[in-house]
Amino acid sequence: AQTVTQSQPEMSVQEAETVTLSCTYDTSENNYYLFWYKQPPSRQMILVIRQEAYKQQNATENRFSVNFQKAAKSFSLKISDSQLGDTAMYFCASGSYNTDKLIFGTGTRLQVFP
Amino acid sequence: NAGVTQTPKFRILKIGQSMTLQCTQDMNHNYMYWYRQDPGMGLKLIYYSVGAGITDKGEVPNGYNVSRSTTEDFPLRLELAAPSQTSVYFCASSYRTGGTEAFFGQGTRLTVV
Repeated sequence: AQTVTQSQPEMSVQEAETVTLSCTYDTSENNYYLFWYKQPPSRQMILVIRQEAYKQQNATENRFSVNFQKAAKSFSLKISDSQLGDTAMYFCASGSYNTDKLIFGTGTRLQVFP
Repeated sequence: NAGVTQTPKFRILKIGQSMTLQCTQDMNHNYMYWYRQDPGMGLKLIYYSVGAGITDKGEVPNGYNVSRSTTEDFPLRLELAAPSQTSVYFCASSYRTGGTEAFFGQGTRLTVV
C-alpha cells in the first residue's frame, strides 16, 4: 500500500528566509514519482515540483528544491528566499506507473511573515 | 482553457438527501479522480477511473458512487447524505498516473445539515 506522511501540521518563516517541509512515504513499487502541490487560500491545487524515483539528482524549480533520500523514503521540500505569496498549504503526494492511485499526505500549512 | 470544471461550487444538503457533483475535463485525459479534503486530514481518494467505463474504489468509497460513460465526465453521486460527508470535494484528471501532473478543479464545498 502507498502511504504519505507529513509530520509538520504548521510551519512559519520570515520573508526572504529558507524553510524546509518534511515528507516521508512508503511504497512497494519500484517505479514511482513524488510530488509537492501547493494549495493557496483560493483552494486551487498547483503542482510545485516532482521527482522521478529512478533519478538520483534532486529536482529543482527556481526557488523550490527537494531533498530526495530514496533509502530513507524521505522527500523534503526546500523553499529559498520565501515570499509572502508562498503562504499556502503544501501537500506531498506519490504515484506510480503500476498502480493507478495518486495518494496525498495530510499537508503542512506554511505561513510567510513580512 | 477550461481544464477541469466542477459544479456546483457550494451546496448545502439535508441529511438523507442525494446529489451529484459534476466534473468535466477538456484535456482528453484518461485518468480522473475524486478526493475529499477534511480539515487537517489532507486529501483522501474516494474513487478513480482509468478510462471510460472503468472505475475503482479509492481509500474512502463508502457512501459514494461514480460512473464514467465518457472520457470527459466523471460525476460523483452521494446517496443518503450524512453529516460525515461534509467536506470539500476535488475532482482531478491526468494523462496517466505515475509521473504526470494531475490537474484539479476548484472544489465543491458541501455541507450536510
